[in-house]
Amino acid sequence: RKEVEQDPGPFNVPEGATVAFNCTYSNSASQSFFWYRQDCRKEPKLLMSVYSSGNEDGRFTAQLNRASQYISLLIRDSKLSDSATYLCVVNVRNNDMRFGAGTRLTVKP
Amino acid sequence: DAGVIQSPRHEVTEMGQEVTLRCKLISGHNSLFWYRQTMMRGLELLIYFNNNVPIDDSGMPEDRFSAKMPNASFSTLKIQPSEPRDSAVYFCASSLKGGTTEAFFGQGTRLTVV
Repeated sequence: RKEVEQDPGPFNVPEGATVAFNCTYSNSASQSFFWYRQDCRKEPKLLMSVYSSGNEDGRFTAQLNRASQYISLLIRDSKLSDSATYLCVVNVRNNDMRFGAGTRLTVKP
Repeated sequence: DAGVIQSPRHEVTEMGQEVTLRCKLISGHNSLFWYRQTMMRGLELLIYFNNNVPIDDSGMPEDRFSAKMPNASFSTLKIQPSEPRDSAVYFCASSLKGGTTEAFFGQGTRLTVV
């Protein structure tokens, strides 16, 4: 089993749609969780951290479910500019940083 | 600060040649990660340093790969000898405190081994 797993997609949605991504992780001792965004041929950049109580940043909401070992990202009112690959990140051991394979999102007019 | 700086941005080399990728960390950061990204395997963690010490190198594919941190601000990833299957984008990233804080990525080195 991979340490961090994501549905690779692709997700093709119309502008204005709500879309959700999930990610599961294998190490129950993991403490830090993030969502990163990667545009085509660019480096990954932090989108948001994921806190135990869930957190929101504008149209983006992140949730953590420790019991089921998954994190989620919800994007409301999608924009064309949201088209990218979304990577979930978990520290698996020794305070490292492991990435899921990424979920590709395309928002269409 | 200019951010994490990687060089070269692109490298094309022949099979069997030695390749050295370079990374300059953000000043003050003490954790460094080297990743390799391919379409098939996504972003794979190769090696992780904390305070110049390698903490986990279990992701290094084989003995042909080696990484060093000669000082707190600089790291190299060397492949010797290179093979076509090493073709990928190699990223380094630095952070203040390992995997608990935001990691900042360099722009990557696109390596092609022919």
